[in-house]
Amino acid sequence: QITLKESGPTLVKPTQTLTLTCSFSGFSLSTSGVAVGWIRQPPGKAPEWLAVIYWDGDKRYSPSLKSRLTIAKDTSKNQVVLTLTNMDPVDTATYYCAGSVDNWGYYFDYWGQGTLVTVSS
Amino acid sequence: ETVLTQSPATLSLSPGERAILSCRASQSVSKYLAWYQQKPGQAPRLLIYGASNRATGIPARFSGSGSGTDFTLTISSLEPEDFAVYYCQHRSDWPRYSFGPGTEVDMK
Repeated sequence: QITLKESGPTLVKPTQTLTLTCSFSGFSLSTSGVAVGWIRQPPGKAPEWLAVIYWDGDKRYSPSLKSRLTIAKDTSKNQVVLTLTNMDPVDTATYYCAGSVDNWGYYFDYWGQGTLVTVSS
Repeated sequence: ETVLTQSPATLSLSPGERAILSCRASQSVSKYLAWYQQKPGQAPRLLIYGASNRATGIPARFSGSGSGTDFTLTISSLEPEDFAVYYCQHRSDWPRYSFGPGTEVDMK
């Protein structure tokens, strides 16, 4: 059974750095073709892709947020960490981690439940 | 950058009716397109990948078609649990992932 779960703060202040951890089970990020990504969704809006890390360590970022994002993996712990610097109220959203296990990184077939992050002073 | 547009924004139907949702890409994406279903308070769920392949556990009433720039998700006979928002998604070669704005299927 494949599961993913996001953890991190629910409230951050403007200018702070957000650090989110995705803990997953049922697959390995060292297996060829596997990827884990982060997607966020502001209330009432469509999902927005943020970053992805592949089994081989390759990392890709949304061009509009690239300067603020870092993604890293700890294969031994089955975790992926996302940091987003200089948080602003417009970054308020539900943040999801999602796994691409059977689709070579093209689509996200497994999703965490999401965590709502509010940016407010 | 490939931009995805979806139509209609809202589709008002009754249980048992057929739903036809459209996704259009600003440039050809071949068959590299997926559809997701999202219910309130839940994460998106992968329904269709590669334009026409059902994901694991997805009922046969869901079908996808299309290639290039025009894609369709069809729900042959709406069940009460199918009323939700549906998003299309594409990954470019760069790679970069994009989602469409969504179509809400609500109950008439």
